[in-house]
Order: sequence, then C-alpha cells, then structure tokens
Amino acid sequence: GAVVSQHPSRVICKSGTSVKIECRSLDFQATTMFWYRQFPKKSLMLMATSNEGSKATYEQGVEKDKFLINHASLTLSTLTVTSAHPEDSSFYICSARPNRGQNTEAFFGQGTRLTVV
Amino acid sequence: LAKTTQPISMDSYEGQEVNITCSHNNIATNDYITWYQQFPSQGPRFIIQGYKTKVTNEVASLFIPADRKSSTLSLPRVSLSDTAVYYCLVVKNTGGFKTIFGAGTRLFVKA
Repeated sequence: GAVVSQHPSRVICKSGTSVKIECRSLDFQATTMFWYRQFPKKSLMLMATSNEGSKATYEQGVEKDKFLINHASLTLSTLTVTSAHPEDSSFYICSARPNRGQNTEAFFGQGTRLTVV
Repeated sequence: LAKTTQPISMDSYEGQEVNITCSHNNIATNDYITWYQQFPSQGPRFIIQGYKTKVTNEVASLFIPADRKSSTLSLPRVSLSDTAVYYCLVVKNTGGFKTIFGAGTRLFVKA
C-alpha cells in the first residue's frame, strides 16, 4: 500500500531553536498534505493544509509564523517549528491523499515526537 | 464537514466480536465513511472505508444503513493487539479535502 514517511521520528531540541519535520509520500504524488498535532490521550488536531506550490492554509488558532510549512514538491512537505518552547512539545503527524482517481483514503506518517527542553 | 460521534471507550475480551457505532447525521452525498486505528505514538492506520451497505476486508466489516447517518465497525474475534483508539471519519471523495478527527473510541481488549 501507499506509504507516507516522516522524519525524524523523535527529536529533542533546546528552547529557542527551530526544528524541521519532513513528510514524504514514497510512492504517490500528493498536491495536498496535512499536518496534525496530538497531545497525550487526545485526538489529532488539524493544524494546516499544505499545498504544493502555494501557501499553506492554517486552521484557526494556529500561528503561521510559528509553524512554517513548505510544500516544495508533489512528494515532500516540511513543517518547521520556529523558536520552539516547551509548550510546543507534542506528537506531530502528517498525512497525504493521492492525487490519482477518487481515492479517499488518507495515509499517515508514523509521527514525530518533539520534546523541547 | 460532517461531525462524528462515537463512544469514548469500550472494553472487550479476547475472541469476542466488537462493534463500534459512529453517528454522522450531517453526512453529505459525496462523503465517504472511513475508519482508522491508532496505537500509542504511531500515526493512524487505515482499516476500512465505505459509502453504503456493507463492506468487508481481511480485518473488519463496515455496516452502513440506507440513510447513512450512522455506521458500525465490526471487528471479529479481537485479540489483545487490537487494543487501540478507533476513529470514524467522514471524508470527501477527492484528495484535497481535509480530514477532521473526532474524539475516537478507546478499545481495551482484556485477556
């Protein structure tokens, strides 16, 4: 089946630094990818929609300058957490749905555990 | 986007059949119903998807009544490894539409 790969799976960074998370669709193209954030024992919260070749669309309450999204190709989207603080510590997950046909199944990455110290 | 409502949690024993029902009263004509499974510290994994009536694959069955305002995920003979959170999602039938997660159902399978 289709695979979405996230990297890194875990990262620890110091407060004030920036962290980049990559999301790749390995065997399909995706014009649109999605970034989620998940707190312990909570559901996934959609942060933004990443659009290839154009600006990302952010959900209400998500700071676009804090969470920079770049979708440079049809197989790669990146999320950069800028000037990270401990409250940014969370589990970040990306997903993508293939461009082809009317496939409604979304594929998810394995997630990235970010810890800001 | 249609809102979904599921039970917060369910308990079961190994070998039993588990049915998780999801209500989605505002489902639109071009919406599909999709179920995902999530283990701790992992991304959600696709289980099954359907539009109407019944769909079955190697891991589950999905029952959707004619009015499509609800759906039931059926897991036959669960095992301990089926302990996870199960999400019912209503999604549009093209790739660009975002997927919104509800609270999900936390299934705990006991020995």
